[in-house]
Amino acid sequence: AQSVTQLGSHVSVSEGALVLLRCNYSSSVPPYLFWYVQYPNQGLQLLLKYTSAATLVKGINGFEAEFKKSETSFHLTKPSAHMSDAAEYFCAVSDSLGDYKLSFGAGTTVTVRA
Amino acid sequence: DAGVIQSPRHEVTEMGQEVTLRCKPISGHDYLFWYRQTMMRGLELLIYFNNNVPIDDSGMPEDRFSAKMPNASFSTLKIQPSEPRDSAVYFCASRTGTGGSPLHFGNGTRLTVT
Repeated sequence: AQSVTQLGSHVSVSEGALVLLRCNYSSSVPPYLFWYVQYPNQGLQLLLKYTSAATLVKGINGFEAEFKKSETSFHLTKPSAHMSDAAEYFCAVSDSLGDYKLSFGAGTTVTVRA
Repeated sequence: DAGVIQSPRHEVTEMGQEVTLRCKPISGHDYLFWYRQTMMRGLELLIYFNNNVPIDDSGMPEDRFSAKMPNASFSTLKIQPSEPRDSAVYFCASRTGTGGSPLHFGNGTRLTVT
């Protein structure tokens, strides 16, 4: 089964600063990869997904992620943080076959300082 | 698209009582998943269904937990009897069967067992 490691359970950034959230996956076959965001008292919402069409994936709210097979990474970035980006972010990897079940990382909580 | 609908949003019950959580997936989605989220354990997959058939229930913590999907538009997760350690947010999610298809989450049911 796939596994995902998110480095850093908490990230604090200043408003306007770069947001960088790290995600590494375990796989010998390029999988499907996702980033989700969870706002307080809500379910997870899809930010973006990688499905092999392009290594740089753009998502909603100005986020993007780059798939690097050689590093087995799928880091999420946003050039300029906004107060509304304060949330928890989850990286997820899908099995490449079968039911394409998702494995989620432990999550990274982002705090944005004014 | 009404999204995945879960009810109730909040449930407070006493230890020993039966609890039933409900989920209506997005129409046309073949897969339905039940997750539990806690601070200590993060997101845990409890069980998932494909075309109303349970595929993998290895994440169900104990026999006190059971899940059904009597038709394509409805699923229940039941806990009987409930215990304080069952307190968590329970999410239902659905998706199509296509590889790379993202999960769509409901807003969850926050369960408190006293």
